Amino acid sequence: QVQLVESGGGVVQPGRSLRLSCAASGFTFSSHGMHWVRQAPGKGLEWVAVIWYDGSNKYYGDSVKGRVTISRDNSKNTMDLQMNSLRAEDTAVYYCVRELYISGWFYHAFDIWGQGTVVTVSS
Amino acid sequence: QSALTQPPSASGSPGQSITISCTGTSSDVGGYNYVSWYQQHQQHPGKAPKLIIYDVNKRPSGVPDRFSGSKSGNTASLTVSGLQAEDEADYYCSSYADKNNLIFGGGTKLTVL
Repeated sequence: QVQLVESGGGVVQPGRSLRLSCAASGFTFSSHGMHWVRQAPGKGLEWVAVIWYDGSNKYYGDSVKGRVTISRDNSKNTMDLQMNSLRAEDTAVYYCVRELYISGWFYHAFDIWGQGTVVTVSS
Repeated sequence: QSALTQPPSASGSPGQSITISCTGTSSDVGGYNYVSWYQQHQQHPGKAPKLIIYDVNKRPSGVPDRFSGSKSGNTASLTVSGLQAEDEADYYCSSYADKNNLIFGGGTKLTVL
């Protein structure tokens, strides 16, 4: 079945780095844009980053720009998020998310979500 | 980029209809038809959101037609008709925005009385 599985979360000190990974299965990974969306404890959803289906373009939310890098490997059906200079406000559940793609059109909507991986930034 | 504006809470009795608004600007909601809505049940910690509306008013396969979406100017709306107990959840809107951004609303907690 269609599935996204995140890994790599944990407890990290402020200023340190962490790399999150997402493993995709059950669909043609190389056809879909992929995103990271996060949710701080008790808070709403926040878009973090997107990478196009072929990796040709990457865009980031203002709150993480310059500190994170998104990447993908279509041969392995995986996506990563390298997070540097972590801050307390980066504490959240990080979701790997698939962008809805139908008949050649990208809809900037998120149709498949992973279960999330928890990142806690604390000294 | 500021979050889209949603009411923090909404409520209705079973069988009733409720509408949740999502207000942005001409740089996001008003400028594009890429508005989507998500349902997130909080009863189960870590429950991932579920797409219920995309492209302003389209429903993914399997989403009941009790859920409908619309847009007027800079404001999008989600209507839930024939409220059921299982509709109690948090609802988030999202919109594509200028310069390849995506923005979420702050979320609305729907209570079924």
